Amino acid sequence: EVQLVDSGGDLVHPGGSLRLSCAASGFSISTYWMGWVRQAPGKGLEWVANIKQDGTMKYYLKSVEGRFTISRDNAGNSLYLQMNRLRADDTALYYCARGGGTLDFLGQGTLVTVSS
Amino acid sequence: DVVMTQSPLFLSVTLGQPASISCRSSQGLVYTDGNTYLSWFHQRPGHSPRLLLYKISNRASGVPDRISGSGSGTDFTLKITRVEAEDVGIYYCMQGRHWPHTFGQGTKLEIK
Repeated sequence: EVQLVDSGGDLVHPGGSLRLSCAASGFSISTYWMGWVRQAPGKGLEWVANIKQDGTMKYYLKSVEGRFTISRDNAGNSLYLQMNRLRADDTALYYCARGGGTLDFLGQGTLVTVSS
Repeated sequence: DVVMTQSPLFLSVTLGQPASISCRSSQGLVYTDGNTYLSWFHQRPGHSPRLLLYKISNRASGVPDRISGSGSGTDFTLKITRVEAEDVGIYYCMQGRHWPHTFGQGTKLEIK
């Protein structure tokens, strides 16, 4: 059974940092693009970032570029999102996602709240 | 960025009746591999989004055949032939052809 378990979300002050993790099981992430999607409270879905199978290509939403870094550990079957200089408008439920052009599975989400 | 525009934003449908949602992209979504990267997701309240359709019309695993997708170029449609109670929630289209990938605003479906 495919599973993506997201973790690492927390309450953080503006300007702070967080590292989100996504533990995959039931498949090997080494054969897939992987990414992150977020959803602000009561709002729609917003794509955040994607990373190629070997980590050589990464793409970001403009508003997070330079602050967020997506990375992966294929041997550990895990995906990460390092988030720095967090802002109030980064507050959202963050979902790990399998795929690139098509996101065929999303995790349960981990909540990031940026507030003073 | 590619803008995805859905209509309507709200649908109220009687059980057993059909429903249709339109999604328009501001640019074409055909990739160099010949595929069109247009997907549809369904999100029930309190749940993660679930992929319904990919590359316009391919059903994801477990999706019933009363749900279908069509379209080409910049105009796409999701159709439900007979709405059931489990269909309530929000439907999103997403383009995966251009970076950044982008979603439509969402269409909320309720049972009348």
